[in-house]
Amino acid sequence: RKEVEQDPGPFNVPEGATVAFNCTYSNSASQSFFWYRQDCRKEPKLLMSVYSSGNEDGRFTAQLNRASQYISLLIRDSKLSDSATYLCVVIRSNDYKLSFGAGTTVTVRA
Amino acid sequence: DAGVTQSPTHLIKTRGQQVTLRCSPKSGHDTVSWYQQALGQGPQFIFQYYEEEERQRGNFPDRFSGHQFPNYSSELNVNALLLGDSALYLCASSRQDSPLHFGNGTRLTVT
Repeated sequence: RKEVEQDPGPFNVPEGATVAFNCTYSNSASQSFFWYRQDCRKEPKLLMSVYSSGNEDGRFTAQLNRASQYISLLIRDSKLSDSATYLCVVIRSNDYKLSFGAGTTVTVRA
Repeated sequence: DAGVTQSPTHLIKTRGQQVTLRCSPKSGHDTVSWYQQALGQGPQFIFQYYEEEERQRGNFPDRFSGHQFPNYSSELNVNALLLGDSALYLCASSRQDSPLHFGNGTRLTVT
C-alpha cells in the first residue's frame, strides 16, 4: 500500500462550483500535512498547511481527520485559475520522511 | 531573498552518459531534498541531505548519488543514464518539518 494516496480525478467543475477531495495516508506517525498546487510543467508551490483544527485560506479549506487518516481540501466558488494538480504531502514524525501523493487534477470550466 | 535555484533549466543527454544537477537552497534552509517527477506522476523522493550527509533515501538505484556542500547547496549526479531517467528533477529546501520550497526544476531528456 502506498504511504499517501489521492484520487487522481480529474474533477471537472463549472466556475463557481465547490469541489472537494481527500488524501489518505497509511502511517499513523504522520505529523505534518500540506497541500501543494502544481501547474502543468511547473514546480509544486505550497498552497496551505493543514492544522489539526482545520484551517481556511480564502476560498480554500483544509481539514485533517486523524482517526480515519485523511486530509481534505475544499475549494469554494471555483475560478478558472484554480485549474491545476493538487498534491498532498505528509511528513512522518519519527524521521521527517516526506511523502507526496500522485496528485488530484482539477479543471474548472467557464 | 532568493528562493530555491536550480541549474540547468533543461538538459539533453544520451544513454550511458552522466549528468550533474545543481541546487541552491532558500536562505535560512539547511535541508535539501531531491525529487524525480515523470509526466503525470507525483514527485518521487530520491534522497535528502542534511549537514552534508545523506539522511534519507528513496527507492532509487546507486546510479543516483548526491552531495551537500558546507553552504547547504547540493548536487544530484546520475550515472549511466537510461531513457527512463527522463523527467523533471525538483530540488526542495526546508528546515526540519517545515514546508518544502521548490526550485523551478531541471527538465532532463535522455535520448
